[in-house]
Amino acid sequence: GNSVTQMEGPVTLSEEAFLTINCTYTATGYPSLFWYVQYPGEGLQLLLKATKADDKGSNKGFEATYRKETTSFHLEKGSVQVSDSAVYFCALSESAGGYQKVTFGIGTKLQVIP
Amino acid sequence: NAGVTQTPKFRVLKTGQSMTLLCAQDMNHEYMYWYRQDPGMGLRLIHYSVGEGTTAKGEVPDGYNVSRLKKQNFLLGLESAAPSQTSVYFCASSYPLKQSTQYFGPGTRLTVL
Repeated sequence: GNSVTQMEGPVTLSEEAFLTINCTYTATGYPSLFWYVQYPGEGLQLLLKATKADDKGSNKGFEATYRKETTSFHLEKGSVQVSDSAVYFCALSESAGGYQKVTFGIGTKLQVIP
Repeated sequence: NAGVTQTPKFRVLKTGQSMTLLCAQDMNHEYMYWYRQDPGMGLRLIHYSVGEGTTAKGEVPDGYNVSRLKKQNFLLGLESAAPSQTSVYFCASSYPLKQSTQYFGPGTRLTVL
């Protein structure tokens, strides 16, 4: 079956540091890949996505590139802010049995300190 | 445009009690989902629906039932609550394409004593 692997964290960084959160996946077909973010006390919301190999998703200074050869979708940001403190979920989506099957990673907690 | 809403936001139950969680979406999405989120386990799919009047089991369906009588609403029921069902429950909805974004509600925090 499909799976998504990411570290649970927490990842603690100082403000303005470079961020990388690794995400690797296994899938049987050609999935779409997503990063969702969950701020404290809220539901998940889409951060960025990529729908085919070599696509780059970007939003709010975050970027991730769909790498089929390494089955990865690592999240990066050049300079984090305290407001980026949240839990980040990598996810893949495939059409399976007539519905959109989404598999989530465990979530990586990011703490940014001033 | 409210997006996805969930009621209630918090609830405390005693073992054996029943309750229903309500999810509503105003985006005309075909697909709706119920997840539970537990520490160290990420999000796990409980049940889902691909359209009005249809439901199907997800990864962890035991102890839960669902109904989708109207396209915009998806109800999650616990017939006899157990402490193992203490969790945060999220509803989500989407269009029926693999590249579609899932839109999540704010969650319901349920504690079963």
